[in-house]
Amino acid sequence: DIQMTQSPSSLSASVGDRVTITCRASQSISSNLNWYQQKPGKAPKLLIYGASSLQSGVPSRFSGGGSGTDFTLTISSLQPEDFIVYYCQQTDIIPNTFGQGTKLEI
Amino acid sequence: EVHLVESGGGFVKPGGSLRLSCATSGFTFNNVWMNWVRQAPGKGLEWVGRIESKTNGETTNYAAPVKGRFTISRDDSKTTLYLQMNSLITEDTAVYYCTTMKNVAAAADYWGQGTLVTVSS
Repeated sequence: DIQMTQSPSSLSASVGDRVTITCRASQSISSNLNWYQQKPGKAPKLLIYGASSLQSGVPSRFSGGGSGTDFTLTISSLQPEDFIVYYCQQTDIIPNTFGQGTKLEI
Repeated sequence: EVHLVESGGGFVKPGGSLRLSCATSGFTFNNVWMNWVRQAPGKGLEWVGRIESKTNGETTNYAAPVKGRFTISRDDSKTTLYLQMNSLITEDTAVYYCTTMKNVAAAADYWGQGTLVTVSS
């Protein structure tokens, strides 16, 4: 199975900060990498698909990059509602594994 | 508007069975590949499996921990997805989500609200 490793596991930041979360795959996954956010008690929400495409309705402060094994999710200016958990997922190889999650904290 | 509504969760003893349903609306169900994803209490997301469309032979794939015990199926006439879970173990305790899959990067673009399955003696 492909292992997905997110870093950091938690990140302290402030409103207005620019932050980057990294996701590393144990082998190349081309651009088959997606990012989700999850509010407590709610279903995850797709933010970025295909490594860099913004899902419809997602604010433009979110952006994704990378290919192969190293990927990033960048939030250009943190808003209060962004302090939640983020997951990456590879969909190149079955099983479609998730990263362990990154919690953004104030 | 796309809607996914899971049902069928509950409390079951180890070794028992449950069938989850995911009723859908707002999109052309028979063209869309579907996923099940689960989340144990306080833990991260775990991909359970997926089913392709009928035109792709309704091919299924599963994660190793559930392979041989779980079966994903679909009824296009009812626009409903199913997850039959047999030989349940305590590690299967989780909220189970059904999701649609985009035809780009197989991303899970729409999610249900989830249904909780608790396996305990």
